[in-house]
Amino acid sequence: AQTVTQSQPEMSVQEAETVTLSCTYDTSESDYYLFWYKQPPSRQMILVIRQEAYKQQNATENRFSVNFQKAAKSFSLKISDSQLGDAAMYFCAYHFQGGSEKLVFGKGTKLTVNP
Amino acid sequence: GAVVSQHPSWVICKSGTSVKIECRSLDFQATTMFWYRQFPKQSLMLMATSNEGSKATYEQGVEKDKFLINHASLTLSTLTVTSAHPEDSSFYICSARAGTRVEKLFFGSGTQLSVL
Repeated sequence: AQTVTQSQPEMSVQEAETVTLSCTYDTSESDYYLFWYKQPPSRQMILVIRQEAYKQQNATENRFSVNFQKAAKSFSLKISDSQLGDAAMYFCAYHFQGGSEKLVFGKGTKLTVNP
Repeated sequence: GAVVSQHPSWVICKSGTSVKIECRSLDFQATTMFWYRQFPKQSLMLMATSNEGSKATYEQGVEKDKFLINHASLTLSTLTVTSAHPEDSSFYICSARAGTRVEKLFFGSGTQLSVL
């Protein structure tokens, strides 16, 4: 069974600094998707970034980028120039398109941004 | 962008009553919708997957008779918590998929259920 592990229950960063959130996963598949979702206090799930496993190039979305290491099954999220609005729970998620339709979520990392 | 509306955003009910939560895709047709449950400070746990016009597929450990899911149209899925008890108190989130690709997945804003 696929599993997603986020080893950092909580992280903090100073405003304008950079922070990296860790995520590892376990799968025997070769073609899959990985996601980072943000859940602010409103509890609305917001897609931050997505990575297709067949793409070697790391995905980037403005201040958000990932370090995708397929062999190591690692998928970390880097937030540059952190802003107060980045404070939220961040969930890493896995999806295998050819199997079960569900997203498998990690337990989440609570990010605090200090002014 | 695509919008998924979930209603109500919060509900308080008495133990033993039933509560219905609606999930609507406002600007796309959703052949598949997903229902999640989230306990405080925990991750999302998939409860069931519903496909329009067919019976929902429940995850292991989820009581089908307790959590009734109906996906009667391409834009509406409902979750009914029957004979609710305090242990059913939780945050429930739906998501809807436009088409078959996971990148077309959108989340509702969630429903906080409190059972007294």
